[in-house]
Amino acid sequence: AQSVSQHNHHVILSEAASLELGCNYSYGGTVNLFWYVQYPGQHLQLLLKYFSGDPLVKGIKGFEAEFIKSKFSFNLRKPSVQWSDTAEYFCAVNADNDMRFGAGTRLTVKP
Amino acid sequence: EAQVTQNPRYLITVTGKKLTVTCSQNMNHEYMSWYRQDPGLGLRQIYYSMNVEVTDKGDVPEGYKVSRKEKRNFPLILESPSPNQTSLYFCASSILAVTTDTQYFGPGTRLTVL
Repeated sequence: AQSVSQHNHHVILSEAASLELGCNYSYGGTVNLFWYVQYPGQHLQLLLKYFSGDPLVKGIKGFEAEFIKSKFSFNLRKPSVQWSDTAEYFCAVNADNDMRFGAGTRLTVKP
Repeated sequence: EAQVTQNPRYLITVTGKKLTVTCSQNMNHEYMSWYRQDPGLGLRQIYYSMNVEVTDKGDVPEGYKVSRKEKRNFPLILESPSPNQTSLYFCASSILAVTTDTQYFGPGTRLTVL
């Protein structure tokens, strides 16, 4: 069965710092990749997704992610974080309708 | 407003007392799914449904049942809850049962089993 690993459990940054959250998966076939975000007290919502084409994907709120097939990675980036980015971030992989989520990374942005 | 709703939002119950958590979506989505979220484990899929009367097990189905008698509803049933089912539960739906589809999540149900 496939698995998804998020390397950082909790990341603390100051406003305007750059962000990179790691995500690796274990599956050799075709995958569709997602980043979801859960703001405090809110539903999970989609940040961005990749299923084909340009491996650099842009999402909402200035986030982007790069799919590197050779590294089985789909890292999330943002050049300059804001206090409102404080949330939990989940990487997810769907392969053959088997949807797997990572354990999540909690991001705290200090004002 | 397009949404996925869950009820109840919070529930405290005792071991062995049957309970149902309802999930409803008003977007005419074919695919619906239940997850549980536990600290350090992320979201794990319990059951999913590709369409009416079609359900299948996810990663952690033991102790749970589901039904999909109509497109909009996908209740999660715990026939005999146990303390290890204390968790945060999310229902989700997507337009089709295809791997590229975005899932829309409900607000979550926090269940405590004493």
